[in-house]
Amino acid sequence: GENVEQHPSTLSVQEGDSAVIKCTYSDSASNYFPWYKQELGKRPQLIIDIRSNVGEKKDQRIAVTLNKTAKHFSLHITETQPEDSAVYFCAAFLFGGYNKLIFGAGTRLAVHP
Amino acid sequence: DAGVIQSPRHEVTEMGQEVTLRCKPISGHDYLFWYRQTMMRGLELLIYFNNNVPIDDSGMPEDRFSAKMPNASFSTLKIQPSEPRDSAVYFCASSGQNQPQHFGDGTRLSIL
Repeated sequence: GENVEQHPSTLSVQEGDSAVIKCTYSDSASNYFPWYKQELGKRPQLIIDIRSNVGEKKDQRIAVTLNKTAKHFSLHITETQPEDSAVYFCAAFLFGGYNKLIFGAGTRLAVHP
Repeated sequence: DAGVIQSPRHEVTEMGQEVTLRCKPISGHDYLFWYRQTMMRGLELLIYFNNNVPIDDSGMPEDRFSAKMPNASFSTLKIQPSEPRDSAVYFCASSGQNQPQHFGDGTRLSIL
């Protein structure tokens, strides 16, 4: 079955710096990769996603890249702000399967003013 | 769109008691998922349904846990009898076919 590994487990940056979180997946059939942000005490919220027919996707300060050959995908946050502090989860998913998301273990991002 | 609605938001009860968590998925979504989140184990998928039918319950920790989905707009997760190690945040999520999952606000469960 699918397995998703996420690194690093914690990340500390200064406000304005960039942050990068990396994930690898094992099932080459996976074709959809969402990222969720979870603030303390709140629910995971979808922030960006990418499908396997696309190599990169951007939404303002957030971008996601996908390398299908290497089975890697990454989240990039530029010009980080204190409100970006949260736990970020990557996930892999097989469209056409049973909608079952496989989550990474999460990355706790701290942005210091 | 009201989103996924869970109740109660918080539950504190004594061990041995029955606990019932409730979820109303987003209208039109035909998949419903129950997750448990703890610091030690992260986000774990317990069970999920498609068109009210359980598809995969391999994540249910033991027989004390059960889940039902009697109709497209309601699901329950029951723990009987509850134990302190069941303390966690329980999330419900729903999605349409080949669509991302949307999470409810969760139920914070404390078993004393």
